Amino acid sequence: DAGVTQSPTHLIKTRGQHVTLRCSPISGHKSVSWYQQVLGQGPQFIFQYYEKEERGRGNFPDRFSARQFPNYSSELNVNALLLGDSALYLCASSLDPHLRPYNEQFFGPGTRLTVL
Amino acid sequence: GIQVEQSPPDLILQEGANSTLRCNFSDSVNNLQWFHQNPWGQLINLFYIPSGTKQNGRLSATTVATERYSLLYISSSQTTDSGVYFCAVNSQGGSEKLVFGKGTKLTVNP
Repeated sequence: DAGVTQSPTHLIKTRGQHVTLRCSPISGHKSVSWYQQVLGQGPQFIFQYYEKEERGRGNFPDRFSARQFPNYSSELNVNALLLGDSALYLCASSLDPHLRPYNEQFFGPGTRLTVL
Repeated sequence: GIQVEQSPPDLILQEGANSTLRCNFSDSVNNLQWFHQNPWGQLINLFYIPSGTKQNGRLSATTVATERYSLLYISSSQTTDSGVYFCAVNSQGGSEKLVFGKGTKLTVNP
């Protein structure tokens, strides 16, 4: 069975540009979460979507937005890129975020974004 | 929000040695997971363990929820065990997001 997939693998952008990152969850999983990991730190929560509704938002500026589609895949959009947005962006999926053990999260390989 | 502390921050071992990694958390949890992050950034699920004890080969984990800590044991370490180990939790009654510790960087030398 396929795990969580993310695209693209790597991306180089310049300051001020816009970027869209994509994530497909494990088949049957309805919850998708996005995390940002900068070098030397643990991942930081950005957004969670469940059944196509936003269920949580981390402490990130409005330049960050996301959505979940009817097939449960998700996009993360970042506008007006800053140098500090350079990071590994990780997507995770789970069956049901409310119920043990179905709230176990599985991560994709990530998208490494470099902003020049 | 919930706080997660991992110790030690760095650990260097010789191949074949055993080790214990610790995760302390500040509130009751609905989810606790241990991950191994490989050099390419992939987070690999090791254990889903909000309470109790589990074992998988050379690895085992114990979470004492009432005392708010979890331990990850690695026995007979191998060079392929090198990488960063993260503990992540979400709090009962709180957000469903995972809060990560800062990780333990493990280096296993041949």
